[in-house]
Amino acid sequence: GPKVLQIPSHQIIDMGQMVTLNCDPVSNHLYFYWYKQILGQQMEFLVNFYNGKVMEKSKLFKDQFSVERPDGSYFTLKIQPTALEDSAVYFCASSSDRGNTEVFFGKGTRLTVV
Amino acid sequence: SQWGEENLQALSIQEGEDVTMNCSYKTYTTVVQWYRQKSGKGPAQLILIRSNEREKRSGRLRATLDTSSQSSSLSITGTLATDTAVYFCATDQGGRALIFGTGTTVSVSP
Repeated sequence: GPKVLQIPSHQIIDMGQMVTLNCDPVSNHLYFYWYKQILGQQMEFLVNFYNGKVMEKSKLFKDQFSVERPDGSYFTLKIQPTALEDSAVYFCASSSDRGNTEVFFGKGTRLTVV
Repeated sequence: SQWGEENLQALSIQEGEDVTMNCSYKTYTTVVQWYRQKSGKGPAQLILIRSNEREKRSGRLRATLDTSSQSSSLSITGTLATDTAVYFCATDQGGRALIFGTGTTVSVSP
């Protein structure tokens, strides 16, 4: 089936440094998402991106977070600077339409801020 | 149950048994989607039920939706050890991005 690829699978970074998480969405999808999951807890919505713009974002999407998808390249989540509480698994997802259709998730990037 | 003030629920059952998990939501939704997340993986959709449907079946899965009580259920019949996972319901708040519930952990013993 359609696959969302996330690179890297695990990243360890010093607090205060910048990190970029990369996502290769399903090729014909138009809507892209990032979710955050702390171990054993629920998936928490961060941001929804469409047509080059942020459509929705949650309170978890702090000012230190940014997203972009330059033409034909990865959909990225950048955190600058990182904080200890940013440690979590970040899931990228994509869909052909908004929330009323299936959303495909990647395997996640485990971010550890030390 | 998921959502509201409910904590993450855990269910332990034997292979072959049936299991039902519940979900309640607070805002209007056009669909309820059920996802399964296995350890170390991202969520994968199991079933989508629209607001004008009361029941949806897919193989061993059955989802129900009661829009008046804003609740949904997912049943799995004849569980297998491979059904061990966390099950999430998700709503779209009227066509917006999916918001997930707190999840139900199901452990199926062989």
